[in-house]
Amino acid sequence: KQEVTQIPAALSVPEGENLVLNCSFTDSAIYNLQWFRQDPGKGLTSLLLIQSSQREQTSGRLNASLDKSSGRSTLYIAASQPGDSATYLCAVSAGRYSGAGSYQLTFGKGTKLSVIP
Amino acid sequence: EAQVTQNPRYLITVTGKKLTVTCSQNMNHEYMSWYRQDPGLGLRQIYYSMNVEVTDKGDVPEGYKVSRKEKRNFPLILESPSPNQTSLYFCASASDGRVRETQYFGPGTRLLVL
Repeated sequence: KQEVTQIPAALSVPEGENLVLNCSFTDSAIYNLQWFRQDPGKGLTSLLLIQSSQREQTSGRLNASLDKSSGRSTLYIAASQPGDSATYLCAVSAGRYSGAGSYQLTFGKGTKLSVIP
Repeated sequence: EAQVTQNPRYLITVTGKKLTVTCSQNMNHEYMSWYRQDPGLGLRQIYYSMNVEVTDKGDVPEGYKVSRKEKRNFPLILESPSPNQTSLYFCASASDGRVRETQYFGPGTRLLVL
């Protein structure tokens, strides 16, 4: 069974710092990996989606990398801002074949990021 | 505006009283899914649907029912809620159930079962 681990569970940094969030998964047979952001009391917002054939994706100050063979991904946030404070979730998708076929997302428990002004 | 909506956003109920949480998306997505989020356990999938009239169990389906009679709607039904179903519930959709698309999440429904 796929397990996704995110370390650290919480992180506090001063504004302007660059930071890295880590995600590891146990089964390398994934289709893609996604990073989501969750703000308190709100739903999840997709930040970056990396297909299994890709090594990284970038969006603005965010860069996500994927090393499928080692079961690791990192989310790099450059020049952090207080508005980046949120919980960041990593999710991997793997095939679940039960008749029609589909994929299942398995989530990590998240890293709660606080950026201090 | 492309979105996934859930109703109600907050619900307090008592053990055994049937309830339905509605989910609707306006993106013509084929794939829809329900998750629950609990402290220390993260997000876990309850049920998903690949298309109309096609549903399947996720990791934690016990105590829940779903139906997909229309493409845009995917209600979650608790026939006899119990306190262990107190949780934060999210509905999500994607253009299809295959591997290349991200999922769009609703704002969540916070349920308390007394």
